[in-house]
Amino acid sequence: DVKVTQSSRYLVKRTGEKVFLECVQDMDHENMFWYRQDPGLGLRLIYFSYDVKMKEKGDIPEGYSVSREKKERFSLILESASTNQTSMYLCASRGGAENYGYTFGSGTRLTVV
Amino acid sequence: DQQVKQNSPSLSVQEGRISILNCDYTNSMFDYFLWYKKYPAEGPTFLISISSIKDKNEDGRFTVFLNKSAKHLSLHIVPSQPGDSAVYFCAASGGEYGNKLVFGAGTILRVKS
Repeated sequence: DVKVTQSSRYLVKRTGEKVFLECVQDMDHENMFWYRQDPGLGLRLIYFSYDVKMKEKGDIPEGYSVSREKKERFSLILESASTNQTSMYLCASRGGAENYGYTFGSGTRLTVV
Repeated sequence: DQQVKQNSPSLSVQEGRISILNCDYTNSMFDYFLWYKKYPAEGPTFLISISSIKDKNEDGRFTVFLNKSAKHLSLHIVPSQPGDSAVYFCAASGGEYGNKLVFGAGTILRVKS
């Protein structure tokens, strides 16, 4: 089974801190994604990456950046955390064209105080 | 502007009965649709999908129906079980989104025993 591992389940950070959320997948998938989940809004795409060192903005990239230095690792960076970035963050990966489904990590619940 | 809409935030069903979760979309270029199930503190897991060339796909207790003319799909769970209680997300891909998934806001299903 594909495994997508997010390094932290729960994080509490202060306003203005730089925050790193790490995601690792073990199935050599090219595509990786970062979503945030908020009540009533569902999952919204922040950034995605089709290959190493490639990144593209999703629907809500403001206040975030990403890094993909290795194929298996996709990091989400909050440059200066704000309270409106309190959310559940979900990382996902996706394999070849024959499979449209994503495999998600367990999520990181981030609280910014 | 949400292109995938789940207009029912929650649904409560008696164990053994049918659960019907609905989803509407606005983008006629979407050509693949998926349902994900999410338990609290876990990432979403893939449940069932359907291509736009079909109008029905069945997998055990789960059936997805697609009505392209109405831009509507539904997930039927028969019979419903308490373990089905979760948040269900509808997702779509295709058109300008390529293989990126666009998610609805989710419907909370509660199956009462």
